Amino acid sequence: DAGITQSPRHKVTETGTPVTLRCHQTENHRYMYWYRQDPGHGLRLIHYSYGVKDTDKGEVSDGYSVSRSKTEDFLLTLESATSSQTSVYFCAIALAGDEQFFGPGTRLTVL
Amino acid sequence: DAKTTQPPSMDCAEGRAANLPCNHSTISGNEYVYWYRQIHSQGPQYIIHGLKNNETNEMASLIITEDRKSSTLILPHATLRDTAVYYCIVRVGDYKLSFGAGTTVTVRA
Repeated sequence: DAGITQSPRHKVTETGTPVTLRCHQTENHRYMYWYRQDPGHGLRLIHYSYGVKDTDKGEVSDGYSVSRSKTEDFLLTLESATSSQTSVYFCAIALAGDEQFFGPGTRLTVL
Repeated sequence: DAKTTQPPSMDCAEGRAANLPCNHSTISGNEYVYWYRQIHSQGPQYIIHGLKNNETNEMASLIITEDRKSSTLILPHATLRDTAVYYCIVRVGDYKLSFGAGTTVTVRA
C-alpha cells in the first residue's frame, strides 16, 4: 500500500502567523498534490508537484506556497494565515495507472 | 476539464444495487471519467475509471454511454459501509483532478 503521512493532523493558529504542513510519502512517487476541503464542497487543488523542485499552481493557490526539495516530502506553507484558510487539507500522490491516493488530512483552524 | 453534473443525494437499500448517474455532456475524446468516494472525514478513495469501454473491478462497475456524455457507477450490493459522498470527475491526462460537490449516498438497513 502507498504510504502517506501528514503532519500535523490538527493545528490551531492565529491570524498572521506562518504555518507549514508536511506531506511525506514512502514510495518515491513523482506526482504529489495539496487540496483543501471546506464544508459542503468537494476538494479544490491548491498546488501540485511533478518532481523535485518542480511545482505548479492549482485552482486556489493564492496565499499558499509549496516546496519539494526531495521526492518524499511536499510542504505547504501559509505565509500569513487568514481565517479564510481554515480548512481540512489533504495531500495526495499519483500512483501508477493514474489513481490518486490521499492522506488522512490535516485540520487547520485559524483564529 | 469537462464539468460534471450529479444529483446531490440518493438513498439505497442495503443489499441492493446502487446506480449513481453522472452527466458530462462536454467531455472531449481524450478525457477519462473517474469515480472517487469520501467516507466521513477521511481522504477520498479511488473507485474506478474509464475512457469509453465499460469497466469493472472488485468495488464497482462503470458504464459509459456510447456518446460518452454520461456514465453510471454501479455498486452491485450496497452495504452500510458504502455510505459516502461519491465524486464523478472528468479529466485529461495531466494528473489533476477537479472535484465537484458529488452525490451523498446513504445506504439504509
